[in-house]
Parts: sequence; structure tokens; C-alpha cells
Amino acid sequence: DTGVSQDPRHKITKRGQNVTFRCDPISEHNRLYWYRQTLGQGPEFLTYFQNEAQLEKSRLLSDRFSAERPKGSFSTLEIQRTEQGDSAMYLCASSSTGTAYEQYFGPGTRLTVT
Amino acid sequence: DQQVKQNSPSLSVQEGRISILNCDYTNSMFDYFLWYKKYPAEGPTFLISISSIKDKNEDGRFTVFLNKSAKHLSLHIVPSQPGDSAVYFCAARENSGTYKYIFGTGTRLKVLA
Repeated sequence: DTGVSQDPRHKITKRGQNVTFRCDPISEHNRLYWYRQTLGQGPEFLTYFQNEAQLEKSRLLSDRFSAERPKGSFSTLEIQRTEQGDSAMYLCASSSTGTAYEQYFGPGTRLTVT
Repeated sequence: DQQVKQNSPSLSVQEGRISILNCDYTNSMFDYFLWYKKYPAEGPTFLISISSIKDKNEDGRFTVFLNKSAKHLSLHIVPSQPGDSAVYFCAARENSGTYKYIFGTGTRLKVLA
């Protein structure tokens, strides 16, 4: 297993456009998390899934953000009508029941909204 | 309001010496703490954890100390190596059955050869 993968690694979009990011967790991990990180800050929690169920969402996840994990495997994060303030690194992480406290992060998708 | 604080944005240490990275928190309900290391262009990598029922956890060169009364934890790296140069984040979890972690802003460690 090569770990958590994210696609794309970089995305440049114009304000008002929609973007979608994909995360493939470690295959046996049933929990999946999305974080956002801006310059000089630590990762900020957005949401997490246990299998296909979205169990928690942050206040940061406005109506323009939606995340899915339809079959309990990969996940997508969509941002509609992007704003310049959405520019950030979007990180995905996964964990298994056995190591629930240890989250394994992907390399992130860097979003730039112009 | 920053519930997890890493007040030192950077730290330089000579190779072979001890590195001490500090983290303070404000929420007494936090029950589990993690340390992550992050290299440029990579996601954070889990290093070590500690439960609030313990005051120390050790894994090789890495030791985490927890002082609940002071709401303070620290990561000790002994001996420090140039490969340890990275940004270190502490993270804390509320005691609510959640898997949501709150991260600090990070400390950039530079180990000088």
C-alpha cells in the first residue's frame, strides 16, 4: 500500500468556478478526514467519515463545501463558487479502527483561486 | 480562539543535542494528544501520542511529556539529527467521542550539522 493519495496535487481556478478534489485512503482504513491548512497555520478540521457515513462537520464547512464517500472507499470534496479565501492546502487523512488516534495524511491538494 | 498554541514558531538546535518543542492548550476536556512532523510538499506524519491519563510516553528518540495541571505538553528529541528538521505540530482531541483534532500552528525545527 502506498499510503493516502490525493488528486490533483495542484489546482488553479478562477473565482466563481467549482472544483472537486479526490482522496484515496489507505485501503483498510474505515475513517477518512478532510482538513484545510493555510500559510502559517496548522491543519483545520473540516469533516470526517466512518465508512460512508459523514459523522462530523466543522463550522468551517460552509454551504459551498460538500464532501462525499459514497462506497466507503475514496472521498471527494467539492467547493462551489470558489472565493479567494478558499485558497489553501486541502489535506486528507485516514485511520483504522485499530489505530484510530493515528491519522495518516496524504500530500494534499493546493488550491489557488485567482 | 486558539485552543492549542505553539508559541515558538521556530527553533534551532545543534546536532546531537536535545530539541524541546512546546505546546499549550486551554481546554481541560482534551483527552488525547498527538505530535506530527511535516516536511515541505508532504502531508504531516504521525510521530507519537499520549493519553491524558499518562504523563509520559517514549518511542525511541522521541518522548512526549504531559503536564495536565499546567495544560502543557512537550516533545523531546534526543539526540537531534539533521533529518529531524521539519515543522512539528501538536494536536489535541476533545473527550467527546469525536475524532476531530485541533492542531497548533506548528514549530519549525532546524537541526544544525
